[in-house]
Amino acid sequence: DAKTTQPNSMESNEEEPVHLPCNHSTISGTDYIHWYRQLPSQGPEYVIHGLTSNVNNRMASLAIAEDRKSSTLILHRATLRDAAVYYCILRDVDNAGNMLTFGGGTRLMVKP
Amino acid sequence: NAGVMQNPRHLVRRRGQEARLRCSPMKGHSHVYWYRQLPEEGLKFMVYLQKENIIDESGMPKERFSAEFPKEGPSILRIQQVVRGDSAAYFCASSPHTGTNQPQHFGDGTRLSIL
Repeated sequence: DAKTTQPNSMESNEEEPVHLPCNHSTISGTDYIHWYRQLPSQGPEYVIHGLTSNVNNRMASLAIAEDRKSSTLILHRATLRDAAVYYCILRDVDNAGNMLTFGGGTRLMVKP
Repeated sequence: NAGVMQNPRHLVRRRGQEARLRCSPMKGHSHVYWYRQLPEEGLKFMVYLQKENIIDESGMPKERFSAEFPKEGPSILRIQQVVRGDSAAYFCASSPHTGTNQPQHFGDGTRLSIL
């Protein structure tokens, strides 16, 4: 899988929006951008994914740059329960259906 | 809908014993993936199985580790003759189909401690 780069940690205030960036300058045209998060003592949880267009679901929004070399996960109103490690993962056709390659992720801390 | 169920949640073994970790995928999911998270490290893929078949075991240690996903029943990750370095959280995920467009749904893991 192509490499992603994320900040090690970010802080947010409760009830404010959070923008979590991810750089993936070596992304190929067929790579999907996936986001997962892992809350303390739990398994990873799927958040959202997309290919080229921005995506919205009940958990978050995914904004994908026009050149696809970066993306941003947007939590519209952070809550204390959103404190987790957020992983940006690229999935390519060469590895279809198989592994997710987790990097270090971004540890999001939410202050009350 | 029940999510991915893993048991036990915690497992303690002495060095040299066997550990069996079980994973029941979500209903309707026939693809199972196992990952390991060593202390203070990220999750690493171990093996991908479809019913009765191992599709990709590129992340499995060459010795002592095995996995199965029988026609009936849960997927099993088996570790023989455990050593201290096997202490980790083991996560199972499932999906209904394969493909880069398919999310994987994770259980809450089995935390294995080796005395």
